[in-house]
Parts: sequence; structure tokens; C-alpha cells
Amino acid sequence: AQSVTQLDSQVPVFEEAPVELRCNYSSSVSVYLFWYVQYPNQGLQLLLKYLSGSTLVKGINGFEAEFNKSQTSFHLRKPSVHISDTAEYFCAVSVPNSGNTPLVFGKGTRLSVIA
Amino acid sequence: KAGVTQTPRYLIKTRGQQVTLSCSPISGHRSVSWYQQTPGQGLQFLFEYFSETQRNKGNFPGRFSGRQFSNSRSEMNVSTLELGDSALYLCASSLDGLSGANVLTFGAGSRLTVL
Repeated sequence: AQSVTQLDSQVPVFEEAPVELRCNYSSSVSVYLFWYVQYPNQGLQLLLKYLSGSTLVKGINGFEAEFNKSQTSFHLRKPSVHISDTAEYFCAVSVPNSGNTPLVFGKGTRLSVIA
Repeated sequence: KAGVTQTPRYLIKTRGQQVTLSCSPISGHRSVSWYQQTPGQGLQFLFEYFSETQRNKGNFPGRFSGRQFSNSRSEMNVSTLELGDSALYLCASSLDGLSGANVLTFGAGSRLTVL
């Protein structure tokens, strides 16, 4: 079975500073990887996904993530954060052509951007 | 195009009661998944429906059930409510959920409080 570990439950960062949210996964087979964001009182919204190809994936709102197979990691980065980036971020994994195997989420990282 | 719609957004019940939550997926999406989100456990998979059939079920007691209608709308029901059922219940839809690459589009959730 697949699992996802988000190493930091909370990350405070000053506005305009860079940020990295860490995600490691465990799987015996190839995986697809996703980052979702959840703003207060809302559902989850896709930031970016890695299916295949280039290991550097660019998403919405200036976020990017790098897939590292040897490290089994998919860390999310942004070079300069804004107050509006304050939210909870979830890393998730699925298995290609797995039929109805559900998406497995990490426990989330709460990003707080400080003015 | 309209997103995933969940009703009601907020509800309060007492222990022992039952509750029904509704989810209308994006038009054309045939797969509907349900997740329970709590601060302690994060996002946990409840079940997934495709073409009115439950294809996968998470590790929840039989008090949690669901169904899907011919128009892909889905409902979930929780009977004999317990305090621990207080959570945000998220519904997500995707095209068919078969390849693992389909992005889940989430609704805003139904926040259930059990007193």
C-alpha cells in the first residue's frame, strides 16, 4: 500500500520569503503525485501534479515541485510567498492504472505567511 | 462550468441521530469519492462510486453508507451518530477514476457537528 508523509505540520514564513513544504512517499510501484491546497472553509484545489516526464513540475500561483525518485520525495516550493498563500497544503499519491484505488493523502502542512 | 456542489454546508446533530449528505458532481464526471477530514486523522477515504456501483470502500464501520444515482449525484448516510463523527465531509468527482491520473475536483464540504 502507498503512504505519504508530510514532515512538517506547520510552517511559518515571512511574506516574500521562499518556502519549501516537504513530502515523502512510500510505494513499491510507480506512482502519480499531487499537491492540493485548502483555503479556510473551502474544499481542496489542485496545485500541480506529476504523472511522468520532466521531474520539475510547475503549478498554479507560482508553485513548483520536484519529483525525486531516489529520495521518494515530492517537495513543494515557492520562491516568494504572499499573505494569500496562507492555507493548508496536502501531498497525495495514486497508482497508475490501479482501477479504483483511492488517492492517499498526507496529513497536511499548514503554511502561515507573516506580514 | 459548475463545480462540485455539496449540501448542506453546515449541520448540527445529536448523538444517535442519522444524517444524509448530498453531492452533485461536475457534469460529465462519473466517479464520486467521499472523504472524512478531521484535525487528528487528516483526510480519510470513505468510499467511491462509479455508475451507481460502489467500487471501493475505506475502513469505516457499517454506519457509514452511500449511494449514487443514475445522474451521478451521490449521497452518503451516517446512522447512529457518535461524537467522533464530527468532521468535514468532502466529496470529490473525477471523469472515471480508473487511470489514477484523473484529478479529483472537490466540493466545499459539509461540516457535521455531533453534540
